[in-house]
Amino acid sequence: RKEVEQDPGPFNVPEGATVAFNCTYSNSASQSFFWYRQDCRKEPKLLMSVYSSGNEDGRFTAQLNRASQYISLLIRDSKLSDSATYLCVVISTGTASKLTFGTGTRLQVTL
Amino acid sequence: EPEVTQTPSHQVTQMGQEVILRCVPISNHLYFYWYRQILGQKVEFLVSFYNNEISEKSEIFDDQFSVERPDGSNFTLKIRSTKLEDSAMYFCASSERAGSQPQHFGDGTRLSIL
Repeated sequence: RKEVEQDPGPFNVPEGATVAFNCTYSNSASQSFFWYRQDCRKEPKLLMSVYSSGNEDGRFTAQLNRASQYISLLIRDSKLSDSATYLCVVISTGTASKLTFGTGTRLQVTL
Repeated sequence: EPEVTQTPSHQVTQMGQEVILRCVPISNHLYFYWYRQILGQKVEFLVSFYNNEISEKSEIFDDQFSVERPDGSNFTLKIRSTKLEDSAMYFCASSERAGSQPQHFGDGTRLSIL
């Protein structure tokens, strides 16, 4: 089983739509969670950290379900500029610094 | 906003040659990392570095790889004898602290081995 698993997509949505991505992780000792976005052939950029109580940043909402070991990202009112690959990223206990990446979910927002 | 910078942006090298990739982490950050991404694949951890020593490394980071902080600002990744399969994007990252602290990535060096 992959350490961090994501649906690769692509998700094709019209501008203004709401879209949600899920991610599952296999290590129950995982302690920190993030969503990064990556544009084609660019570096990963931090989108948001994911907290146990869930958190929101503008149009983006992240949720964590430790019991089921999954993380979600909700994007409301999608913009063309949201088109990118969204990377689910986990740090596990005992690996103080290593980021483990999912393969990413590709989002394409269209007119 | 402070950023991680990497040079060169693209490096083309003959197989078997040594290559050094350079990074300048964010100035007040203490933890430094190298990741790589083979085209079409996920980002993979190579090594983390703190207090002038490696704190963690992956299976990919074998004897052909080494890291160094030669001065107060640069952080380098050396590949001693490159192989075709070393062709990838190499990302440097840094963070203020370890653990739950987010890591900030440079824009990468594309390494092409011929």
